[in-house]
Amino acid sequence: AQSVAQPEDQVNVAEGNPLTVKCTYSVSGNPYLFWYVQYPNRGLQFLLKYITGDNLVKGSYGFEAEFNKSQTSFHLKKPSALVSDSALYFCAVRDNGGNTPLVFGKGTRLSVIA
Amino acid sequence: EPEVTQTPSHQVTQMGQEVILRCVPISNHLYFYWYRQILGQKVEFLVSFYNNEISEKSEIFDDQFSVERPDGSNFTLKIRSTKLEDSAMYFCASSRTSGSATGELFFGEGSRLTVL
Repeated sequence: AQSVAQPEDQVNVAEGNPLTVKCTYSVSGNPYLFWYVQYPNRGLQFLLKYITGDNLVKGSYGFEAEFNKSQTSFHLKKPSALVSDSALYFCAVRDNGGNTPLVFGKGTRLSVIA
Repeated sequence: EPEVTQTPSHQVTQMGQEVILRCVPISNHLYFYWYRQILGQKVEFLVSFYNNEISEKSEIFDDQFSVERPDGSNFTLKIRSTKLEDSAMYFCASSRTSGSATGELFFGEGSRLTVL
């Protein structure tokens, strides 16, 4: 069965500094990987996805993520954090080898401090 | 920009009561999902729905739960006899293709259910 681990409950970063939100996954086949963001009292918004091809994928709001097959990771990154990036971030995965639903991590709360 | 809408935004109910949560998916989408998020915990898959029938469901989705697409626009989640542990935020999502496979899911704002 597929699973996602987000090892950090909370990430704090100063505005203007680079940020990284970590995600590792486990699937039996090839992974389809996603990042979603949740602002307070809002639903989940899609940020970016990796299906195949270039390991570095770019998404909304200047975010990017790097797929690393050997480390089974898909860390979310941004070169320069904004206070408005403060939110809850979810990594999700599904195994493309089967008809299984999207499985989410527990989420990481990002706090960007001015 | 089209979006998934959910009603109500918040419902408070007594244990044992029936609850219906409503969702209007994006109009040209074909796949529909319900997820839930218990406070402070991760987002959990409940059920997926395609072509007027359930395509997958999780262990959470027991006989107390049901889904329906009564007309061309609404997608509902019914909990027949609510329990305290059903208190959670329920998210509806839709996708044009089999979103879990390739494309992204589009989520609604959620319906917060509080069972007393």
